[in-house]
Amino acid sequence: DGGITQSPKYLFRKEGQNVTLSCEQNLNHDAMYWYRQDPGQGLRLIYYSQIVNDFQKGDIAEGYSVSREKKESFPLTVTSAQKNPTAFYLCGSGANVLTFGAGSRLTVL
Amino acid sequence: GIQVEQSPPDLILQEGANSTLRCNFSDSVNNLQWFHQNPWGQLINLFYIPSGTKQNGRLSATTVATERYSLLYISSSQTTDSGVYFCAVWGGGADGLTFGKGTHLIIQP
Repeated sequence: DGGITQSPKYLFRKEGQNVTLSCEQNLNHDAMYWYRQDPGQGLRLIYYSQIVNDFQKGDIAEGYSVSREKKESFPLTVTSAQKNPTAFYLCGSGANVLTFGAGSRLTVL
Repeated sequence: GIQVEQSPPDLILQEGANSTLRCNFSDSVNNLQWFHQNPWGQLINLFYIPSGTKQNGRLSATTVATERYSLLYISSSQTTDSGVYFCAVWGGGADGLTFGKGTHLIIQP
């Protein structure tokens, strides 16, 4: 079945550590997106990529980095520079209709 | 950027009731989607509806693009309809969907 796989589902991190969230899709989509969701809020765009080897900052990119070396993969690194990283992270892909993975919940201890 | 406002923010209904959720947006859009977020955080596409009316079982949606709003109707609510409903719009650039803050729906048995 085609879809988007995010891992890990839950992740705990100590302050000062970088962590990388994985996002893999087998939908043959060119465009991929990372969103952040805080409790009681909608989703906010972190980074997006329209094609391999190209990506752009979204509304809240500070403290995050991405890469797009393969069409299927768009990993997100939450760096120690991100001041409030505890959140739910959702990866999506698609052109007109976005499909999302199940999300990764990051907690900073 | 485009602003998206959803109302009401919270809604509590008895099983079997009907409901109408509203989404207002501030500018012309090429794309509008409605999502349901289940208690585990998964975002499920309900409708891709930049204009017109669509129906899928007990759910239907209408977008009046010229007046910049969309409505999601849920009839004969079931407890499994509980969750958060998001409206998201795309203004035509390359930067993906802009989400509203959602309507938190609770269906009581």
